[in-house]
Amino acid sequence: KAGVTQTPRYLIKTRGQQVTLSCSPISGHRSVSWYQQTPGQGLQFLFEYFSETQRNKGNFPGRFSGRQFSNSRSEMNVSTLELGDSALYLCASSPWLGGGGSPLHFGNGTRLTVT
Amino acid sequence: QQQVKQSPQSLIVQKGGISIINCAYENTAFDYFPWYQQFPGKGPALLIAIRPDVSEKKEGRFTISFNKSAKQFSLHIMDSQPGDSATYFCAGGGSQGNLIFGKGTKLSVKP
Repeated sequence: KAGVTQTPRYLIKTRGQQVTLSCSPISGHRSVSWYQQTPGQGLQFLFEYFSETQRNKGNFPGRFSGRQFSNSRSEMNVSTLELGDSALYLCASSPWLGGGGSPLHFGNGTRLTVT
Repeated sequence: QQQVKQSPQSLIVQKGGISIINCAYENTAFDYFPWYQQFPGKGPALLIAIRPDVSEKKEGRFTISFNKSAKQFSLHIMDSQPGDSATYFCAGGGSQGNLIFGKGTKLSVKP
């Protein structure tokens, strides 16, 4: 079974621009969660989607948004990029809702650099 | 009440030794405690997980010890190997929320 696929692997953007990251979950997995990973803050939860609906949201500003499609693929968008948004963005999938109580399968992430 | 505190930040162990990483949680609603292993350039991968109805779980060289009353749990890696060199994250969570991760422990196993 193919794992979680994230594209692109690397992105370089300029402050003020917007960016869209893509995630394809493991086949049959309906829940997709997004995490931001930085050296200082570690892994921080952004949001979880299940059946095309956002079910849970972390403590991030509204510039961070996401969506999920009917095939469970997910995208996250960051608008008006700031230097502090530079991070590794990780997507994780799970067969069922409730990412806090079930195994998460992570992709290898998208490394975003904002200059 | 949402924090998971992990220690140490870094750990150096000789090949064949025991690596021990500790975590403490605050939220008593947590009922799922996984450990993840992350290699450079890769996403975290689930290593082993425990639920609070058991005090210990062992899978090969990896053991989780869980102390519900102290709200603490730890990962023990027996017979540590250079290939175990990675960053390890503990986490806590429940089905009503998301996983809260510790800040990570960078393990180096010296040959």
